[in-house]
Amino acid sequence: KNQVEQSPQSLIILEGKNCTLQCNYTVSPFSNLRWYKQDTGRGPVSLTIMTFSENTKSNGRYTATLDADTKQSSLHITASQLSDSASYICVVSARYGGSQGNLIFGKGTKLSVKP
Amino acid sequence: DVKVTQSSRYLVKRTGEKVFLECVQDMDHENMFWYRQDPGLGLRLIYFSYDVKMKEKGDIPEGYSVSREKKERFSLILESASTNQTSMYLCANRAGLNTEAFFGQGTRLTVV
Repeated sequence: KNQVEQSPQSLIILEGKNCTLQCNYTVSPFSNLRWYKQDTGRGPVSLTIMTFSENTKSNGRYTATLDADTKQSSLHITASQLSDSASYICVVSARYGGSQGNLIFGKGTKLSVKP
Repeated sequence: DVKVTQSSRYLVKRTGEKVFLECVQDMDHENMFWYRQDPGLGLRLIYFSYDVKMKEKGDIPEGYSVSREKKERFSLILESASTNQTSMYLCANRAGLNTEAFFGQGTRLTVV
């Protein structure tokens, strides 16, 4: 069964600190993996996309990694800011079917950055 | 700037009411989706549409229906709202397979 597991469920860090969020998946055949940021009460917004051949990709203070062999991805946030407080959702696309329902969502990690 | 607009941010309805949630996109994408998001469960697919007047059931279609009369508009209908349909509803669209999903701002529906 295609699944996406994220850890931890929630995380509290102090402003300025770094943190790493984890995503493990069992989706096959794999197409790509995206990390989304969802502010409270808003819709998710894409941060970065990882394809099979990519190991690392950065978007400002966000760096995503992908290990396609172990089926693991991480999102590293550097020098956290209060505005990083949000839920971070890992979404894996399976390479099958039509474009409709091949997205498998993780349940998200809720990050709280405290001053 | 791309836009996916949901008609309401917050909605309170009574049990048994018929509820319409509207979603409009300006991206000319064929594929549109309705999800609900609940604590501890993540996003779950209710219905999707890959063309005008076409619709497919997602993972949890019971108690819902949809309408897509125009390419840019995808409506979610709760025929008879129940308290277990209290949730955050998210509309999304995509250009095609493996492309990015763009989400609306969400509608927080409370059924009392």
